Amino acid sequence: SQTIHQWPATLVQPVGSPLSLECTVEGTSNPNLYWYRQAAGRGLQLLFYSVGIGQISSEVPQNLSASRPQDRQFILSSKKLLLSDSGFYLCAWIRGANYGYTFGSGTRLTVV
Amino acid sequence: SQQGEEDPQALSIQEGENATMNCSYKTSINNLQWYRQNSGRGLVHLILIRSNEREKHSGRLRVTLDTSKKSSSLLITASRAADTASYFCATVGASGGSNYKLTFGKGTLLTVNP
Repeated sequence: SQTIHQWPATLVQPVGSPLSLECTVEGTSNPNLYWYRQAAGRGLQLLFYSVGIGQISSEVPQNLSASRPQDRQFILSSKKLLLSDSGFYLCAWIRGANYGYTFGSGTRLTVV
Repeated sequence: SQQGEEDPQALSIQEGENATMNCSYKTSINNLQWYRQNSGRGLVHLILIRSNEREKHSGRLRVTLDTSKKSSSLLITASRAADTASYFCATVGASGGSNYKLTFGKGTLLTVNP
């Protein structure tokens, strides 16, 4: 069966520090992968998506970057965190058209 | 940008009652999906309805889609306290190609009181 792993669950980082959030998918190949951010009490904002290894599309210009070094690995990074980067980050994958997304359990990032 | 907009923003009902949430969207879609999020957790996919479908059922869930009005509704029948969660509608645009990007609304917070 397919599963998605996302870690860490919570993270408190100082302003100006780097960030690396990792997401891995098991049980499938060549999935579309997505990073979303959810601000408190808000809907989800798409940050990046990838349709294949090394292929990254950015939806919102910001302080973050994404990489897909392997087929089932998706990484969200920042060189220097800002206070505004705080939020709940969710990774997701989809099998194809007319399937729902499968989300990871999320990472709550607090930048202090 | 937000595509789906849910209504109401918050809904409080008694256990056993039905809960109806509505969603409106702006552009042509390939499909519309509903998700549930328990507090502080990831989202769980509930149901997907394609643009050429008008109604779909899954257990206690009933979803309708009216593409002429660009709206959808989610009905949860015989609600339970465990249904307490935020519910989001999300759409895949008709012109998105193979990226299947989902655009989410802000959600409806449903509280089911025992």
